[in-house]
Amino acid sequence: KNEVEQSPQNLTAQEGEFITINCSYSVGISALHWLQQHPGGGIVSLFMLSSGKKKHGRLIATINIQEKHSSLHITASHPRDSAVYICAVRPNAGNNRKLIWGLGTSLAVNP
Amino acid sequence: NAGVTQTPKFRILKIGQSMTLQCTQDMNHNYMYWYRQDPGMGLKLIYYSVGAGITDKGEVPNGYNVSRSTTEDFPLRLELAAPSQTSVYFCASSVSYEQYFGPGTRLTVT
Repeated sequence: KNEVEQSPQNLTAQEGEFITINCSYSVGISALHWLQQHPGGGIVSLFMLSSGKKKHGRLIATINIQEKHSSLHITASHPRDSAVYICAVRPNAGNNRKLIWGLGTSLAVNP
Repeated sequence: NAGVTQTPKFRILKIGQSMTLQCTQDMNHNYMYWYRQDPGMGLKLIYYSVGAGITDKGEVPNGYNVSRSTTEDFPLRLELAAPSQTSVYFCASSVSYEQYFGPGTRLTVT
């Protein structure tokens, strides 16, 4: 079992739908990262959070440290949101420069 | 700022050949990282560096070497290429904990 699990693995939505991607982890962490990998391969950091909630445009990330769970929400989804969304955690033990990576959630938003 | 740049974008190597993947960042970041990404797998850390002259192994360092003679550059060397090294390689840099990624190098070893 991976230390970072994402669900679903694949997701197809219609334009305008509200989307939720989940990330669960089994280690103690100091922070959790959400990143977006474009179809062309480039990876961009979306959020880094250690508590509560962050919002940027139509993207919202939440984290519940006690439940070891985070969600990434996309409101009013658009085809340009089609990408792979990756969750990674920074452990609070050992070398915290070594992130533990999820396998990603592949999102396709149809017009 | 160009951010993190990687060259080449694509490369095909024969088994046993050597090559260097170049990575340069212009953000004056202390930390730099090399990852590989295989289909269906999460990113795997190969090597990382906390500053010029300091490097350390990640999860999958075998078959690779790195050096960090300047803050800007962090080249990754493959000495004897093997088919298992076919992958997409990403370089990243950070000053705090948010990582900035290069566009990647797609390497095929045949």
